Amino acid sequence: AQSVTQLDSHVSVSEGTPVLLRCNYSSSYSPSLFWYVQHPNKGLQLLLKYTSAATLVKGINGFEAEFKKSETSFHLTKPSAHMSDAAEYFCVVRRGGSSGDKLTFGTGTRLAVRP
Amino acid sequence: DADVTQTPRNRITKTGKRIMLECSQTKGHDRMYWYRQDPGLGLRLIYYSFDVKDINKGEISDGYSVSRQAQAKFSLSLESAIPNQTALYFCATSDPGTGGSGEQFFGPGTRLTVL
Repeated sequence: AQSVTQLDSHVSVSEGTPVLLRCNYSSSYSPSLFWYVQHPNKGLQLLLKYTSAATLVKGINGFEAEFKKSETSFHLTKPSAHMSDAAEYFCVVRRGGSSGDKLTFGTGTRLAVRP
Repeated sequence: DADVTQTPRNRITKTGKRIMLECSQTKGHDRMYWYRQDPGLGLRLIYYSFDVKDINKGEISDGYSVSRQAQAKFSLSLESAIPNQTALYFCATSDPGTGGSGEQFFGPGTRLTVL
């Protein structure tokens, strides 16, 4: 069975400093992995996705994530935080196979950005 | 115009009332999903539909029912609402033809409060 664990429920950084949001996954076969962002009172927006191509995935707004099979990790990073990055971030694994496109969500990491 | 719309956006109801949440999409996708979001729990799948004649239960379907009226419309019903169904509800769509990544596209959400 597929699952994801987001290691931090809250992360706080200063504007202009790096962002690291950690995610570990469990999958019985090669997974598709996603990061979604949810701004306050908004729906979910796809930041980036990994689908077994390049292990370093670049997304929108300067975010990127690296798929590390040996560590079963898919951490989200950004070199320099902006105030507009304050939001909740979800790491997601696609179950695939006979389950089709069903997604399993992590519990979320709330990112706060201090001025 | 938004590709995935949900109505209503906010709803307050009383215990025991029947309520319907509606989702419409203009993306032409066959697959549609209903999730609920609770603080600290991420999103959990309630029901999903891979086409008009194919409806399946998700992880937490008890107390809910759905109707797929057309490719573009997928409704979620609470037959007799109870307070622990107070949550943020999201509709999503996906297209298995989009390179097989399983990416889902989300509506803006419906905030439901059951008193």
